[in-house]
Amino acid sequence: ETGVTQTPRHLVMGMTNKKSLKCEQHLGHNAMYWYKQSAKKPLELMFVYSLEERVENNSVPSRFSPECPNSSHLFLHLHTLQPEDSALYLCASSQDPATRASYNEQFFGPGTRLTVL
Amino acid sequence: AQSVAQPEDQVNVAEGNPLTVKCTYSVSGNPYLFWYVQYPNRGLQFLLKYITGDNLVKGSYGFEAEFNKSQTSFHLKKPSALVSDSALYFCAVRDDNYGQNFVFGPGTRLSVLP
Repeated sequence: ETGVTQTPRHLVMGMTNKKSLKCEQHLGHNAMYWYKQSAKKPLELMFVYSLEERVENNSVPSRFSPECPNSSHLFLHLHTLQPEDSALYLCASSQDPATRASYNEQFFGPGTRLTVL
Repeated sequence: AQSVAQPEDQVNVAEGNPLTVKCTYSVSGNPYLFWYVQYPNRGLQFLLKYITGDNLVKGSYGFEAEFNKSQTSFHLKKPSALVSDSALYFCAVRDDNYGQNFVFGPGTRLSVLP
């Protein structure tokens, strides 16, 4: 893969369960992202962390809770999800400068295929 | 606001023929433009990008893309398609104004027929 790993690769959970998705990047990047990919919809940016601080939260429901304990790890904690939350959840990382827009590409993990019953 | 359009949901091409996957964009500043490819059950893989300079950029696996500022387009091309090029292709843009994130297009599914 590309230096970004995600676990688990597949997850099936009930609406009352609590689970977590894990992402780890081995590229020395300083920014990490969570995206949601649903069938026939554009990629939806959920959360952005830059230098371990959350810089963007695109109106994501509170049943999704991110955590970034250091620049290499990113988690997405899930609780009381709905069936419409079933999707592929992608993690990405990039090296972003602190004071100007970045033209660096993002590196993506393989994703976690989430099914909510 | 930034936006990206990929006008074709599906592109079919015969193996050995040239291929084009279209992308148009809208940004308030200057664009940074990217193409990614996604194979089944995989994440997105970076193919190429345009930042500044030469309008024709070359990337991985023989792909290239042409930046056209007047038409606000960044079409992906390959002179001779392979069956293994069959995948989902995403165009993405990032405004060069600080604080803007990537915006991805909806994707175009490319099928290369043997």
